[in-house]
Order: sequence, then C-alpha cells, then structure tokens
Amino acid sequence: EAGVAQSPRYKIIEKRQSVAFWCNPISGHATLYWYQQILGQGPKLLIQFQNNGVVDDSQLPKDRFSAERLKGVDSTLKIQPAKLEDSAVYLCASSHVTGTDTQYFGPGTRLTVL
Amino acid sequence: KQEVTQIPAALSVPEGENLVLNCSFTDSAIYNLQWFRQDPGKGLTSLLLIQSSQREQTSGRLNASLDKSSGRSTLYIAASQPGDSATYLCAVISNQFYFGTGTSLTVIP
Repeated sequence: EAGVAQSPRYKIIEKRQSVAFWCNPISGHATLYWYQQILGQGPKLLIQFQNNGVVDDSQLPKDRFSAERLKGVDSTLKIQPAKLEDSAVYLCASSHVTGTDTQYFGPGTRLTVL
Repeated sequence: KQEVTQIPAALSVPEGENLVLNCSFTDSAIYNLQWFRQDPGKGLTSLLLIQSSQREQTSGRLNASLDKSSGRSTLYIAASQPGDSATYLCAVISNQFYFGTGTSLTVIP
C-alpha cells in the first residue's frame, strides 16, 4: 500500500512571498489532515477534511492560510503572504474514515521563511 | 482545551536498557491515545493505538498503558537498541488529535 505523498520536501522563500504544498493521501482514505510542526513542538492541527468538506479549521490562520481538497482526494495548502513564524514542517496525514482512526503521515514539507 | 505533556523532553540510555516514556493529559474525556515515532526529516510512524476502553497494548518490545482517570499513559521499551533512537510523540484523541511535544530518545551502542 502506497503511503501519503507530499511535495515539495523542502522550500525556502522570503517573507511576504507565497507558497503551496501538495498532498496525496492513501487511496480510499476519506479523512485528510494538515498539521504544522514548529521545531521542538508537537504537530498542531491546521485543518481536517472529510472527503472534500472541511470538518475543522479552527486553528487555521485564515487571513493567510488556505486549503482545498478538490474531488475528495488530493489537497493543497497555501500560505499567502508568508511570515517568518510560518517556518515549520507541514505534515499531511490521512485516515480511513473518522477522526479517531489511526492516522498515517507523509514525510512532511520543511518550509523556511527568510 | 486538551493539553498534553511529555516527560522527559530528552533521554539518553545505553543499549539494552529498559525505559519508560511518560505522557500526561488534562482532559480524561478521550476516545483513544496513540504513540508515534518520528525520525529526523521524516513523518510520524504509528506505534500503538490504545482505545479508551483498553488499559494497554503491546507490540514486540513496546508496551503502552493508559490510565484515563489519572490522565496518564506510559510507553515501555524493553531491551533498547540504537535503532530505537528517535523522537516519540503521544497523541490524545478526543474531537481531534492533540500532540505532546515529544521525548527525544538516544540509545548509545
């Protein structure tokens, strides 16, 4: 079974620039999550999708972050404009059905904002 | 809001030693608790999932326990190996996943 795929693996941008991350979940997984992991901290949920609908985006900074999951499969997370404090690893995860099922994580995208 | 704490933040042990990692949480109304391993530059790998009705789960040299009433979970690693070196994260699952800050484990050959 193929795992969760993410790209790019690394990204360096200057503040105020825009950036987008892509995630392809495990086939058949209805639930998709985006997490932000700042160095030395645990992952923090940004947004959770069930198929192509948003279940929870309460911790997503909506003034600069946006995410979509078209057709209930792939997802993109965008930051526009980026700030220095957005430097982190962005992890995508998927689970079979509900939010309480085991989550499978991708390798993450390491973002550095200069 | 659920808060998850992991102690110690870092641990270094000689190979072969048994060790315990601790996880505590503030709200006992949880569905499940899950332990993950994170290697540098990689995503999280699930180790054990304990449902709220269970008290422990075992997989190989790993044993995780859960005491909901006291808001605690422990991950026991037997006969540690250098390949166990990684960061171990616990996640408490209620309406969403709440992660601790992790314990960085180094097993010295």
